[in-house]
Amino acid sequence: QKEVEQDPGPLSVPEGAIVSLNCTYSNSAFQYFMWYRQYSRKGPELLMYTYSSGNKEDGRFTAQVDKSSKYISLFIRDSQPSDSATYLCAMSVVRPSGTSYGKLTFGQGTILTVHP
Amino acid sequence: DSGVTQTPKHLITATGQRVTLRCSPRSGDLSVYWYQQSLDQGLQFLIQYYNGEERAKGNILERFSAQQFPDLHSELNLSSLELGDSALYFCASSVQGPLETDTQYFGPGTRLTVL
Repeated sequence: QKEVEQDPGPLSVPEGAIVSLNCTYSNSAFQYFMWYRQYSRKGPELLMYTYSSGNKEDGRFTAQVDKSSKYISLFIRDSQPSDSATYLCAMSVVRPSGTSYGKLTFGQGTILTVHP
Repeated sequence: DSGVTQTPKHLITATGQRVTLRCSPRSGDLSVYWYQQSLDQGLQFLIQYYNGEERAKGNILERFSAQQFPDLHSELNLSSLELGDSALYFCASSVQGPLETDTQYFGPGTRLTVL
């Protein structure tokens, strides 16, 4: 069983829709959670990161973490065709100081297409 | 543009050959990570170097090796190549200061095709 499982999709939604992307994890040592966006033939680009359970908002994007259920989500409001990409959840362990370090463990990625 | 550069962009070679992938981290970043992305395995961590020293190893084959040079650029060497080594290889870099959130910035990748 993989340490991080991501809903595989693909997802196809109309412009303006709310998109929900989800990952579950099994390793309780993961304490730092990220979402990366990857356009075709490009490197992953960090969208958001969070350490805490709860919600973190950044513009049209909201990252949600539920450590008790080992479940994270990314919500995209008012989706745009430019949001069409592969979305990757990623996780890592943290230092005793609480800052992240070391390798990232990724989900398989969800391909999102937003139609005009 | 993340500030991480990788060369070459594309590499086509034959089975049994050896190739070298190169990565230059963002200015000021001391840590370099190598990842492999394939359709069946997704994005997987291979190895990390910090200021010239190996820091962590992941699912890296014995046929693969890496190093980080004094100017902090890194090279990933892949030898005795097999068809299954065809993948995208990404380099990422981070500051990895002790008190900082260690954000990893990814380069554009090298697409390796083994024929």
